Amino acid sequence: AQSVTQPDIHITVSEGASLELRCNYSYGATPYLFWYVQSPGQGLQLLLKYFSGDTLVQGIKGFEAEFKRSQSSFNLRKPSVHWSDAAEYFCAVGGFSGGYNKLIFGAGTRLAVHP
Amino acid sequence: NAGVMQNPRHLVRRRGQEARLRCSPMKGHSHVYWYRQLPEEGLKFMVYLQKENIIDESGMPKERFSAEFPKEGPSILRIQQVVRGDSAAYFCASSPPIRNTEAFFGQGTRLTVV
Repeated sequence: AQSVTQPDIHITVSEGASLELRCNYSYGATPYLFWYVQSPGQGLQLLLKYFSGDTLVQGIKGFEAEFKRSQSSFNLRKPSVHWSDAAEYFCAVGGFSGGYNKLIFGAGTRLAVHP
Repeated sequence: NAGVMQNPRHLVRRRGQEARLRCSPMKGHSHVYWYRQLPEEGLKFMVYLQKENIIDESGMPKERFSAEFPKEGPSILRIQQVVRGDSAAYFCASSPPIRNTEAFFGQGTRLTVV
């Protein structure tokens, strides 16, 4: 079955600390991987995506993610967290079977940042 | 270039009423997706439409829910005879008519059934 697992429901870090959000996926075809951020009451903003090529992907707001096929993982990282990063983060996997991008989302990780 | 526009942003309906959610895709986008986010959950795919055609409705509940994307005007997600369990955020995303292109999300409509 196709699925995305984000093992951490809540994470709290101190401002300035490093961050890693975990994402594991199960997908039968070539995976296209995404990380989105959702601030309270807001829509989804794309942080970064992996389609092919270099397995270390750079995104906006200083985020990066590494695709590890052998571990079926696509973990999100940031070297130094800012208070404004407090939000909910969603990992998603999809393919383009049929030419369209149907996404499967994880349940999300809610990030709190302590001053 | 305006992003994906959804309205209303918030909608309150009494049980048994109808809810109509609108989505205007980005300019040049003719493909629309609808997702539902239940409280404390991730988004779940509902339906994918192109102009005047439903391509994939594998995530749509079998009853009370319908979607359309007419030749002119926004895409509409319609929920008839709403129940409390329909309370959720409904997100629309759009993409251009180019294969293997990501979709861009709107701000969502938060439906509350009382």
